[in-house]
Amino acid sequence: AQSVSQHNHHVILSEAASLELGCNYSYGGTVNLFWYVQYPGQHLQLLLKYFSGDPLVKGIKGFEAEFIKSKFSFNLRKPSVQWSDTAEYFCAVNNTNAGKSTFGDGTTLTVKP
Amino acid sequence: EAGVAQSPRYKIIEKRQSVAFWCNPISGHATLYWYQQILGQGPKLLIQFQNNGVVDDSQLPKDRFSAERLKGVDSTLKIQPAKLEDSAVYLCASSSQRGSYEQYFGPGTRLTVT
Repeated sequence: AQSVSQHNHHVILSEAASLELGCNYSYGGTVNLFWYVQYPGQHLQLLLKYFSGDPLVKGIKGFEAEFIKSKFSFNLRKPSVQWSDTAEYFCAVNNTNAGKSTFGDGTTLTVKP
Repeated sequence: EAGVAQSPRYKIIEKRQSVAFWCNPISGHATLYWYQQILGQGPKLLIQFQNNGVVDDSQLPKDRFSAERLKGVDSTLKIQPAKLEDSAVYLCASSSQRGSYEQYFGPGTRLTVT
């Protein structure tokens, strides 16, 4: 069965620190990969996505993620976090054959001013 | 462009009662999803519709949960009878293509079963 693992449940950083959130998935076929973010009191919204091509994708607000097929990973990065990045981050994998999406359990990021 | 609408936003019921949630997706979006999100976990897909047909309902507890999407637009999710473990946020999302594109989420309905 398809699964997504986010290794860090809660990350606490100071402003200007660098961020990397891990995401690994288990599915050997073709996938689309997503990072979603949920800011306090808001809906889940798309941060960035990977379908094909350049494995390094850039999203909104300075976030980027790198797809490493051999490692089944899609880690999220940001060189310098801001207090406004405090949110919950979800990695999601879509199995293109079945069209089914699976989400990880999320990582709560707290950025201290 | 209007977003995904859901109602109610909050619902408190007693166990063994029934409850229904409503979702109106973004206009023109053919694919509609219902997710259950238990506190501390990620969204778990309950059912996925493509227009008004079911694509995936493998994780829907069919003895108590049901969902329909009339005319390929609005959708309702029902729980009857509710159990304590059904306490969760129920999210509706829609996308313009079957599973290949980003999903747009509604605000969710927070259900508390006492």
